[in-house]
Amino acid sequence: NAGVMQNPRHLVRRRGQEARLRCSPMKGHSHVYWYRQLPEEGLKFMVYLQKENIIDESGMPKERFSAEFPKEGPSILRIQQVVRGDSAAYFCASSAPGPSSYEQYFGPGTRLTVT
Amino acid sequence: GQQVMQIPQYQHVQEGEDFTTYCNSSTTLSNIQWYKQRPGGHPVFLIQLVKSGEVKKQKRLTFQFGEAKKNSSLHITATQTTDVGTYFCAGQLRAGGTSYGKLTFGQGTILTVHP
Repeated sequence: NAGVMQNPRHLVRRRGQEARLRCSPMKGHSHVYWYRQLPEEGLKFMVYLQKENIIDESGMPKERFSAEFPKEGPSILRIQQVVRGDSAAYFCASSAPGPSSYEQYFGPGTRLTVT
Repeated sequence: GQQVMQIPQYQHVQEGEDFTTYCNSSTTLSNIQWYKQRPGGHPVFLIQLVKSGEVKKQKRLTFQFGEAKKNSSLHITATQTTDVGTYFCAGQLRAGGTSYGKLTFGQGTILTVHP
């Protein structure tokens, strides 16, 4: 049973480029969460999605950031016109629907470096 | 908004000494979870506490949830070098219905163990 998969694991972008981060949840999981971790800081919630729906985007920056979780395929976190301050580790987590949905399983993360 | 404070930020111990990290939420939580993250790694779920005053043990680790469900602690007895890493608490509120929402992470406690 494969865990949460994220790709790429490392991504380097120049300022102004776009970054696309992908997350495939665990099999049977329909809830996806994105978190950002700056160096030596805790994880900050960005967005919570279920299939084709954004449930909570209270942690998403108002501009340049968007997320989707289509009916088919992985969840995508998209950052347009990246700036140096976007450099961070981006973690995706997934959970199952129902009473066990409290437990979130984290993927290995994507380390984004903006040069 | 909801905040979770965690102290201390750093803890250096000699192997064999005990270690404790404390977590305090600004709001009453549905549950609190603890994660461990190794350098360069991703958060790994350790445990969930749900009930007021709950105490759970995992070998040398003891987790407590306060009576008011606003604070928690993790205590490690007789630390080993394998305990090295960052320990995060994360509070969770119910998103609605039977689903759970985002995790609000504390800043983490970085534990180093000197042999």
